This record gives sequence, structure tokens and C-alpha cells, in this order.
Amino acid sequence: DAGVTQSPTHLIKTRGQQVTLRCSPISGHKSVSWYQQVLGQGPQFIFQYYEKEERGRGNFPDRFSARQFPNYSSELNVNALLLGDSALYLCASSLYRGEAFFGQGTRLTVV
Amino acid sequence: AQTVTQSQPEMSVQEAETVTLSCTYDTSESDYYLFWYKQPPSRQMILVIRQEAYKQQNATENRFSVNFQKAAKSFSLKISDSQLGDAAMYFCAYRNVDWGAQKLVFGQGTRLTINP
Repeated sequence: DAGVTQSPTHLIKTRGQQVTLRCSPISGHKSVSWYQQVLGQGPQFIFQYYEKEERGRGNFPDRFSARQFPNYSSELNVNALLLGDSALYLCASSLYRGEAFFGQGTRLTVV
Repeated sequence: AQTVTQSQPEMSVQEAETVTLSCTYDTSESDYYLFWYKQPPSRQMILVIRQEAYKQQNATENRFSVNFQKAAKSFSLKISDSQLGDAAMYFCAYRNVDWGAQKLVFGQGTRLTINP
């Protein structure tokens, strides 16, 4: 079975631009979460979605938004990019309350 | 708010030796989960071991074991017979039972180097 897949793997954007990151969960997993990992730090929780509804939100500005589609894939959108948004963005999927399985992440660089 | 602290930014160990990584956490909850994740250069977070707070017995997975001290809010990871493939960043993480599946709170990480 395929694991959690994220696209793209790397991305370079300019300050002020908008970016969309994509995540496909493991087949059968209906819960998807997003984390931001700044270089040298542990991941920080951004969002969780389950059955297309937001179930949790971390301490991130409104520039960050997400959604989950009927096939349980998810997109993370970040508007008005700042240099500080440069990070590894990790997606994780699970059965509800089950173990989280992570993808390999999208490395976003804002210049 | 729950917090997780890893006080060892870097650790190194000789191949085949044993190493212990430290983690402390803060919570007012009585029931929760604790995890150790490994993040190799490939960037993918891999679950190493988990511990349910209501279980007194320390979790063990092959060469990996934990020392869970609930009263002290301490959760250390012991790696026995260290192998070159164990080299990675290790993150301690907390999850409340009442949260959804994946709201994990991570520590800052410990970079483990294995010396051949």
C-alpha cells in the first residue's frame, strides 16, 4: 500500500505570493493533519481535518487555511507568504484516534 | 497548554553501545499518550515507540525501550545495540486522549550520531 504522499517535494516562492501544498492520505484513512517544521525545531500542529470537517487548529494566523476533499486528500494554503513561512510542511494521516503516519513533507523556501 | 522538552540537542554513541535520550513533559491531564519519533535525513517521521499513560509497564519494541516516570513527567528512550541506521533526529511527542487522532505536541528534538 502507498504511504502518505505529498506534493510538491520542494517549492520556492517569493514573499507575498500564495502557495498550495497537497497531501494524499493512506487508503482508508479519513483524518489528515498538517504540521510546520522550522529548521532545527520540532513540528508544530497547524490543522486537523476529519471527514472533511476541521477538528483542530493550532496557533497560526488566518493566512493559513486548509480543506479536505471527498476522497480525503487535503490541501494546505498559505497566503501573503513571509520569509518566516520557510519550513518543512508535514502531512499525517490516520484512522480517527489511530497512529499518525507521516509523509516526507514539502520543503517551502520563501525568498 | 501541554509542553514537551528535550534537553539534549545532540547525543553520540559508539556502534553497538547503549544510549538514552531524555524527555520531560508538562500536562494537567491524567490520561494521554507519549511517543518517540525518528526523523532521518529523508525527512519522514517514523514512529519508534508509544506509551499509554494509564499503563505502568514500560513499552518495548525490539532494541528500543522507554522509561516512563508518570509522577516525574519523564519519558526517556533507550536504544540498545546502536546501529548506524539509528542515526537521525529523535522527537518526543505528547497527545491528549481527548484530542483527535493527530494533535501531537513535539519537543525540540535530539540529533543522534552513531560512531562506527
